[in-house]
Amino acid sequence: SYELTQPPSVSVSPGQTARITCSADALPKQYAYWYQQKPGQAPVLVIYKDSERPSGIPERFSGSSSGTTVTLTISGVQAEDEADYYCQSADSSGTYRVFGGGTKLTVL
Amino acid sequence: QVQLVQSGAEVKKPGASVKVSCKASGYTFTSYYMHWVRQAPGQGLEWMGIINPSGGSTSYAQKFQGRVTMTRDTSTSTVYMELSSLRSEDTAVYYCAREEGATNYGMDVWGQGTTVTVSS
Repeated sequence: SYELTQPPSVSVSPGQTARITCSADALPKQYAYWYQQKPGQAPVLVIYKDSERPSGIPERFSGSSSGTTVTLTISGVQAEDEADYYCQSADSSGTYRVFGGGTKLTVL
Repeated sequence: QVQLVQSGAEVKKPGASVKVSCKASGYTFTSYYMHWVRQAPGQGLEWMGIINPSGGSTSYAQKFQGRVTMTRDTSTSTVYMELSSLRSEDTAVYYCAREEGATNYGMDVWGQGTTVTVSS
């Protein structure tokens, strides 16, 4: 089965840059998506199609892709960015979706 | 405004079935696929499957094949997810999330979640 691997946790100080990676064991090169989830809330889409940002998402959120790894970058991290972040992609057919295990971002 | 409103919390016994609803409003119901995603307590997101409200076609994650059924009612803009043969490991928050068909825009609107508790 297709799996996406994320680091369990990332910690940064306010104003620094946070980078969260998502690696595929064999990327079929479907697009990657990133979701932010705060405690007790539903997830929110922050990046789609590897690097596009939905309207309303701050410019400090960006995404990139290189080989079998995609990266979510949060520049100038703010306290409100503390949350769990999940990457998501699909298998080669594009039908079956998969989520990474999630990364807890802690703002020190 | 665009919103997905899910049905209320459920408590079920092992072996029973649960049916969760997700009512869409504020957009063209048949233009967006609907996903179901669940999250067990303290765990990550798990994709369960997808339904195309336009024709009713479905695809389910292999893990749930044979136990999950997703349906829709276009007259009320509502999708349903039924999970059978419940066990304690199915205790989770279940979310519906829409995705515009064939655009790769991602799951841009989510329901508020429905807590399903399986306990004897």
